[in-house]
Amino acid sequence: GAVVSQHPSRVICKSGTSVKIECRSLDFQATTMFWYRQFPKKSLMLMATSNEGSKATYEQGVEKDKFLINHASLTLSTLTVTSAHPEDSSFYICSASIPGTESHGYTFGSGTRLTVV
Amino acid sequence: GQNIDQPTEMTATEGAIVQINCTYQTSGFNGLFWYQQHAGEAPTFLSYNVLDGLEEKGRFSSFLSRSKGYSYLLLKELQMKDSASYLCAVMDSNYQLIWGAGTKLIIKP
Repeated sequence: GAVVSQHPSRVICKSGTSVKIECRSLDFQATTMFWYRQFPKKSLMLMATSNEGSKATYEQGVEKDKFLINHASLTLSTLTVTSAHPEDSSFYICSASIPGTESHGYTFGSGTRLTVV
Repeated sequence: GQNIDQPTEMTATEGAIVQINCTYQTSGFNGLFWYQQHAGEAPTFLSYNVLDGLEEKGRFSSFLSRSKGYSYLLLKELQMKDSASYLCAVMDSNYQLIWGAGTKLIIKP
């Protein structure tokens, strides 16, 4: 089935540094990738939608200069958290719609646990 | 505004049956999803309903009533591994997923 590989699964970084999270669709072409953030015991929050070859669409309240999204190919989308701060510590998940499925299914990456110290 | 409501937490006994409810108010409707999420992991797809009625898939069933803005996920023959959060999500008229906060299901022996 459709698989999205997300790396790294866990990362600890110092305040002020940048962290890049990658999501690759392994056996299908992901024209659209969704990036979510999840705080403990909270709902998934959509941060942005990225389409291959174009600029990402950010949700209200999400700083596009801080969360840089690049979707340069049909199989790779990246999220870079720039100048990270402790409040950016969270669980980040990417998701892609599965093409050709009747149920408009989505497949998720395994998530990245970011801790900023 | 758009809203998805589901209970925060439920407790059930191994081998029993549990029903997790979800009510929604969204701008349009293009289907309702149920996902299972274990702590620290990404959600995994359980079911998709777009027409009224019951969809059965093994030990899990999902029901939808569009007129009532209501769905439930039914889990039978509960196993300890079913302890997880269960997320209800609705796809609105813009094909955007609106997520509930999830129901934490605790299974006791």
